[in-house]
Amino acid sequence: EAEVAQSPRYKITEKSQAVAFWCDPISGHATLYWYRQILGQGPELLVQFQDESVVDDSQLPKDRFSAERLKGVDSTLKIQPAELGDSAMYLCASSGTVTYGYTFGSGTRLTVV
Amino acid sequence: QKEVEQNSGPLSVPEGAIASLNCTYSDRGSQSFFWYRQYSGKSPELIMSIYSNGDKEDGRFTAQLNKASQYVSLLIRDSQPSDSATYLCAVNVDSGYKLIFGSGTRLLVRP
Repeated sequence: EAEVAQSPRYKITEKSQAVAFWCDPISGHATLYWYRQILGQGPELLVQFQDESVVDDSQLPKDRFSAERLKGVDSTLKIQPAELGDSAMYLCASSGTVTYGYTFGSGTRLTVV
Repeated sequence: QKEVEQNSGPLSVPEGAIASLNCTYSDRGSQSFFWYRQYSGKSPELIMSIYSNGDKEDGRFTAQLNKASQYVSLLIRDSQPSDSATYLCAVNVDSGYKLIFGSGTRLLVRP
């Protein structure tokens, strides 16, 4: 079964350091999403890509977060500098069409100390 | 702001019982509705989708949709301890380009 690949699975970083997450969507999926899920809450959309273009980044804290999908395939989400409040699960998802829902990767659990 | 509301629970049911999970949404333009299951420390897994008013059954799961009331529900029949998880309701918004999620309902199935 096709999967969304994410790495790393876990990341511990110190406050003010830079951190990056990587995602490789299911082959052929043009749409890629990054979500953040704080413990006890539902996933919140950070950024949505259609191929290499950003469709929605209205909830992305742009002073410290950046995302790219240069060739329209894999994607990187970066935080610089990390803050304590960034501790969360970062989820990547992809879809052929959102009508049929999307598939999440295994996520990256970030802890900022 | 477009919202999806769920009771956080926990909803506790005995093994073999029917678990009923509910969700309301604010965007009247929404057309696609999903239920995801999330085990502790894991990522969400799609278990049901529904697009038309009425019921949709898949094994022990039944999704119910009432667009007039802006209400979606998930029934789990013959609940098993392995069904213990958080269930997330998701709804498409903005002409279908993205999903927004509720905060989830935690289900506990007692052996």
